[in-house]
Amino acid sequence: AQRVTQPEKLLSVFKGAPVELKCNYSYSGSPELFWYVQYSRQRLQLLLRHISRESIKGFTADLNKGETSFHLKKPFAQEEDSAMYYCALIPNFGNEKLTFGTGTRLTIIP
Amino acid sequence: EPEVTQTPSHQVTQMGQEVILRCVPISNHLYFYWYRQILGQKVEFLVSFYNNEISEKSEIFDDQFSVERPDGSNFTLKIRSTKLEDSAMYFCASSDIKGAGDTEAFFGQGTRLTVV
Repeated sequence: AQRVTQPEKLLSVFKGAPVELKCNYSYSGSPELFWYVQYSRQRLQLLLRHISRESIKGFTADLNKGETSFHLKKPFAQEEDSAMYYCALIPNFGNEKLTFGTGTRLTIIP
Repeated sequence: EPEVTQTPSHQVTQMGQEVILRCVPISNHLYFYWYRQILGQKVEFLVSFYNNEISEKSEIFDDQFSVERPDGSNFTLKIRSTKLEDSAMYFCASSDIKGAGDTEAFFGQGTRLTVV
């Protein structure tokens, strides 16, 4: 069975400093990886997915199959980045079930 | 922008009672999901639904749970006899094609269910 691990429950970073939210996964195949974000009092929404290889709101994430990681990075944190971040995977293309990590609460210190 | 809508936002029910959580998915979407998040824990998949039938369900989704699409717009989750451990935030989601791989699962704002 697949599993997603986010080792940090809480992360505080000063504004302007780099951010890295860690995500590791365990799955024997080739999963699809995602980052979802939940801002205060808002719904869970997709931030980015590895297959699109895009940068959203300055965030990027690279899938490292050797290390089974999908860390989320941003070079310069902004106050509006404060939110709950969830790493998630689906086992293979066309599957339907998202498996989430426990989430990391990111707080940007002004 | 279209949104997934869930009602109610908060439901309190007595143990043993039946509850129905309601969702209105995005209108052109074909795949529907329920997830739940017990306080302090991860978001967990419950069930997916397509073409008027369950396409996948987790081990959490036992006989006390059922889903239905009673009309062209609503998607409901029924818990027949609630237990204290059913207390959680329940999220509905929908997507336009199968899987979340090359499309996006849009989530509702959630229904907080409290069983007392």
